[in-house]
Amino acid sequence: RKEVEQDPGPFNVPEGATVAFNCTYSNSASQSFFWYRQDCRKEPKLLMSVYSSGNEDGRFTAQLNRASQYISLLIRDSKLSDSATYLCVPVGGSQGNLIFGKGTKLSVKP
Amino acid sequence: GAGVSQSPSNKVTEKGKDVELRCDPISGHTALYWYRQSLGQGLEFLIYFQGNSAPDKSGLPSDRFSAERTGGSVSTLTIQRTQQEDSAVYLCASSLYRGNTGELFFGEGSRLTVL
Repeated sequence: RKEVEQDPGPFNVPEGATVAFNCTYSNSASQSFFWYRQDCRKEPKLLMSVYSSGNEDGRFTAQLNRASQYISLLIRDSKLSDSATYLCVPVGGSQGNLIFGKGTKLSVKP
Repeated sequence: GAGVSQSPSNKVTEKGKDVELRCDPISGHTALYWYRQSLGQGLEFLIYFQGNSAPDKSGLPSDRFSAERTGGSVSTLTIQRTQQEDSAVYLCASSLYRGNTGELFFGEGSRLTVL
Protein backbone atom coordinates (compact mmCIF):
# COMPACT_ATOMS: atom_id res chain seq x y z
CA ARG A 1 0.00 0.00 0.00
CA LYS A 2 1.36 3.42 -0.91
CA GLU A 3 2.03 5.80 1.94
CA VAL A 4 -0.55 8.33 0.76
CA GLU A 5 -3.13 7.68 -1.94
CA GLN A 6 -5.53 10.04 -3.64
CA ASP A 7 -7.90 9.67 -6.56
CA PRO A 8 -6.24 11.81 -9.26
CA GLY A 9 -9.60 12.78 -10.77
CA PRO A 10 -10.38 15.02 -12.48
CA PHE A 11 -13.57 15.78 -10.66
CA ASN A 12 -15.63 17.93 -13.02
CA VAL A 13 -18.50 19.64 -11.22
CA PRO A 14 -20.85 22.55 -11.95
CA GLU A 15 -20.77 25.74 -9.95
CA GLY A 16 -22.71 25.40 -6.72
CA ALA A 17 -22.21 21.68 -6.44
CA THR A 18 -20.92 19.86 -3.39
CA VAL A 19 -17.90 17.67 -3.98
CA ALA A 20 -15.85 15.42 -1.74
CA PHE A 21 -12.68 13.46 -2.15
CA ASN A 22 -10.65 11.21 0.08
CA CYS A 23 -7.05 10.64 0.97
CA THR A 24 -5.95 7.31 2.44
CA TYR A 25 -2.78 6.89 4.44
CA SER A 26 -0.86 3.83 5.52
CA ASN A 27 0.95 4.99 8.65
CA SER A 28 -1.36 4.60 11.62
CA ALA A 29 1.02 6.71 13.73
CA SER A 30 0.13 9.85 11.78
CA GLN A 31 -1.04 12.49 14.24
CA SER A 32 -2.29 15.32 12.11
CA PHE A 33 -3.18 15.96 8.51
CA PHE A 34 -3.05 18.85 6.12
CA TRP A 35 -4.80 19.74 2.90
CA TYR A 36 -2.90 21.90 0.45
CA ARG A 37 -4.21 23.54 -2.66
CA GLN A 38 -2.07 23.86 -5.79
CA ASP A 39 -3.15 26.01 -8.70
CA CYS A 40 -1.84 25.21 -12.16
CA ARG A 41 1.89 25.97 -12.41
CA LYS A 42 1.92 27.47 -8.92
CA GLU A 43 3.31 26.35 -5.60
CA PRO A 44 1.13 24.51 -3.05
CA LYS A 45 -0.48 26.57 -0.32
CA LEU A 46 -1.95 25.39 2.95
CA LEU A 47 -5.74 25.11 2.84
CA MET A 48 -6.57 23.59 6.20
CA SER A 49 -5.31 21.35 8.95
CA VAL A 50 -6.91 18.47 10.82
CA TYR A 51 -5.71 17.64 14.30
CA SER A 52 -8.59 15.64 15.71
CA SER A 53 -11.75 14.31 14.12
CA GLY A 54 -12.28 17.17 11.74
CA ASN A 55 -12.20 20.83 10.91
CA GLU A 56 -14.53 23.27 9.19
CA ASP A 57 -13.64 26.54 7.53
CA GLY A 58 -16.43 28.23 5.63
CA ARG A 59 -17.36 26.07 2.65
CA PHE A 60 -14.60 23.57 3.39
CA THR A 61 -14.87 20.65 5.80
CA ALA A 62 -12.19 18.11 6.49
CA GLN A 63 -12.97 14.91 8.35
CA LEU A 64 -10.66 12.26 9.72
CA ASN A 65 -11.52 8.59 10.00
CA ARG A 66 -8.70 6.99 11.96
CA ALA A 67 -10.26 3.54 11.96
CA SER A 68 -10.25 3.40 8.19
CA GLN A 69 -7.18 5.62 7.85
CA TYR A 70 -8.50 8.27 5.53
CA ILE A 71 -9.24 11.96 5.57
CA SER A 72 -11.82 13.62 3.40
CA LEU A 73 -12.27 17.11 2.06
CA LEU A 74 -15.78 18.38 1.38
CA ILE A 75 -16.37 21.55 -0.61
CA ARG A 76 -19.85 23.03 -0.57
CA ASP A 77 -21.23 25.55 -3.04
CA SER A 78 -18.29 25.15 -5.40
CA LYS A 79 -16.88 28.27 -7.03
CA LEU A 80 -14.98 28.55 -10.30
CA SER A 81 -12.01 29.68 -8.20
CA ASP A 82 -11.98 26.33 -6.38
CA SER A 83 -10.56 24.72 -9.51
CA ALA A 84 -7.17 23.40 -8.46
CA THR A 85 -5.37 20.27 -7.36
CA TYR A 86 -5.84 19.31 -3.73
CA LEU A 87 -2.97 17.58 -1.97
CA CYS A 88 -3.06 15.83 1.37
CA VAL A 89 -0.17 15.11 3.70
CA PRO A 90 -0.23 13.12 6.93
CA VAL A 91 2.16 14.25 9.62
CA GLY A 92 3.73 12.73 12.67
CA GLY A 93 4.30 9.16 11.67
CA SER A 94 7.77 9.56 10.25
CA GLN A 95 10.96 11.28 11.19
CA GLY A 96 10.53 14.37 9.13
CA ASN A 97 10.02 13.50 5.51
CA LEU A 98 6.60 14.82 4.61
CA ILE A 99 5.11 12.66 1.91
CA PHE A 100 2.36 14.29 -0.11
CA GLY A 101 -0.34 12.48 -1.97
CA LYS A 102 -0.26 12.99 -5.72
CA GLY A 103 -3.34 15.17 -5.50
CA THR A 104 -6.91 15.26 -6.71
CA LYS A 105 -7.71 17.62 -9.54
CA LEU A 106 -10.96 19.56 -9.27
CA SER A 107 -12.47 21.48 -12.15
CA VAL A 108 -15.52 23.63 -11.45
CA LYS A 109 -17.46 24.56 -14.58
CA PRO A 110 -19.91 27.45 -15.10
CA GLY B 1 10.14 39.72 0.86
CA ALA B 2 8.85 37.65 3.72
CA GLY B 3 8.30 34.45 1.79
CA VAL B 4 10.51 31.58 0.65
CA SER B 5 12.73 32.72 -2.18
CA GLN B 6 14.15 30.41 -4.84
CA SER B 7 16.60 31.08 -7.60
CA PRO B 8 16.90 30.81 -10.47
CA SER B 9 13.23 30.75 -11.35
CA ASN B 10 14.09 29.16 -14.68
CA LYS B 11 17.18 27.29 -15.75
CA VAL B 12 17.89 25.73 -19.13
CA THR B 13 21.00 23.61 -19.31
CA GLU B 14 22.62 21.04 -21.52
CA LYS B 15 22.80 17.39 -20.63
CA GLY B 16 25.91 16.65 -18.61
CA LYS B 17 26.24 20.09 -17.04
CA ASP B 18 26.03 20.74 -13.30
CA VAL B 19 23.36 23.02 -11.85
CA GLU B 20 22.85 24.69 -8.49
CA LEU B 21 19.45 25.69 -7.18
CA ARG B 22 19.16 28.01 -4.23
CA CYS B 23 16.53 28.34 -1.53
CA ASP B 24 16.29 31.17 0.97
CA PRO B 25 13.72 30.17 3.61
CA ILE B 26 11.57 32.40 5.77
CA SER B 27 13.71 33.93 8.51
CA GLY B 28 13.63 31.86 11.67
CA HIS B 29 12.28 28.72 10.05
CA THR B 30 14.29 25.77 11.25
CA ALA B 31 13.05 23.07 8.89
CA LEU B 32 13.64 23.14 5.15
CA TYR B 33 12.41 20.72 2.51
CA TRP B 34 13.18 20.09 -1.15
CA TYR B 35 10.66 18.50 -3.49
CA ARG B 36 10.65 17.76 -7.20
CA GLN B 37 7.55 17.98 -9.36
CA SER B 38 7.57 16.70 -12.91
CA LEU B 39 4.94 17.94 -15.34
CA GLY B 40 1.50 16.74 -14.31
CA GLN B 41 2.88 14.73 -11.42
CA GLY B 42 2.79 14.96 -7.64
CA LEU B 43 5.42 16.24 -5.24
CA GLU B 44 8.39 13.92 -4.91
CA PHE B 45 10.20 14.30 -1.57
CA LEU B 46 13.96 14.78 -1.99
CA ILE B 47 15.52 15.86 1.29
CA TYR B 48 14.76 17.50 4.61
CA PHE B 49 16.94 19.70 6.81
CA GLN B 50 16.53 20.44 10.49
CA GLY B 51 18.93 23.30 11.08
CA ASN B 52 22.04 22.46 9.07
CA SER B 53 21.71 18.71 9.30
CA ALA B 54 19.80 16.42 7.01
CA PRO B 55 18.25 13.59 9.05
CA ASP B 56 16.63 12.14 5.96
CA LYS B 57 18.34 11.92 2.57
CA SER B 58 16.31 8.94 1.43
CA GLY B 59 14.52 10.80 -1.31
CA LEU B 60 17.54 11.87 -3.32
CA PRO B 61 17.15 10.03 -6.67
CA SER B 62 20.83 9.28 -7.22
CA ASP B 63 24.32 10.22 -6.11
CA ARG B 64 24.27 13.00 -8.70
CA PHE B 65 22.01 14.90 -6.31
CA SER B 66 23.31 16.60 -3.20
CA ALA B 67 22.15 19.37 -0.91
CA GLU B 68 23.55 21.44 1.85
CA ARG B 69 22.35 24.09 4.22
CA THR B 70 24.56 26.61 5.93
CA GLY B 71 23.97 28.86 8.90
CA GLY B 72 20.56 27.29 9.39
CA SER B 73 19.33 29.39 6.52
CA VAL B 74 20.12 29.20 2.80
CA SER B 75 20.12 25.81 1.14
CA THR B 76 21.60 24.73 -2.16
CA LEU B 77 20.51 21.71 -4.20
CA THR B 78 23.17 20.58 -6.64
CA ILE B 79 22.61 18.25 -9.56
CA GLN B 80 25.73 16.97 -11.25
CA ARG B 81 25.92 15.69 -14.81
CA THR B 82 22.30 16.56 -15.47
CA GLN B 83 20.11 14.18 -17.45
CA GLN B 84 16.94 14.91 -19.38
CA GLU B 85 14.88 13.09 -16.77
CA ASP B 86 16.01 15.69 -14.22
CA SER B 87 13.78 18.24 -15.97
CA ALA B 88 11.16 19.31 -13.44
CA VAL B 89 10.17 22.07 -11.07
CA TYR B 90 12.20 21.95 -7.87
CA LEU B 91 10.24 23.31 -4.93
CA CYS B 92 11.66 24.39 -1.61
CA ALA B 93 9.56 24.80 1.52
CA SER B 94 10.29 25.90 5.05
CA SER B 95 8.58 25.37 8.37
CA LEU B 96 8.84 27.27 11.61
CA TYR B 97 8.66 24.34 13.95
CA ARG B 98 11.07 21.53 14.52
CA GLY B 99 10.29 18.40 12.62
CA ASN B 100 7.16 17.44 10.85
CA THR B 101 4.33 19.80 11.62
CA GLY B 102 3.13 19.87 8.05
CA GLU B 103 2.66 23.64 7.88
CA LEU B 104 5.00 24.29 5.01
CA PHE B 105 5.49 27.53 3.15
CA PHE B 106 6.61 26.92 -0.41
CA GLY B 107 8.71 28.99 -2.74
CA GLU B 108 7.64 29.52 -6.34
CA GLY B 109 10.07 26.87 -7.51
CA SER B 110 12.97 26.59 -9.90
CA ARG B 111 11.99 25.20 -13.29
CA LEU B 112 14.84 23.13 -14.70
CA THR B 113 14.97 22.11 -18.33
CA VAL B 114 17.73 19.78 -19.46
CA LEU B 115 18.20 19.70 -23.22
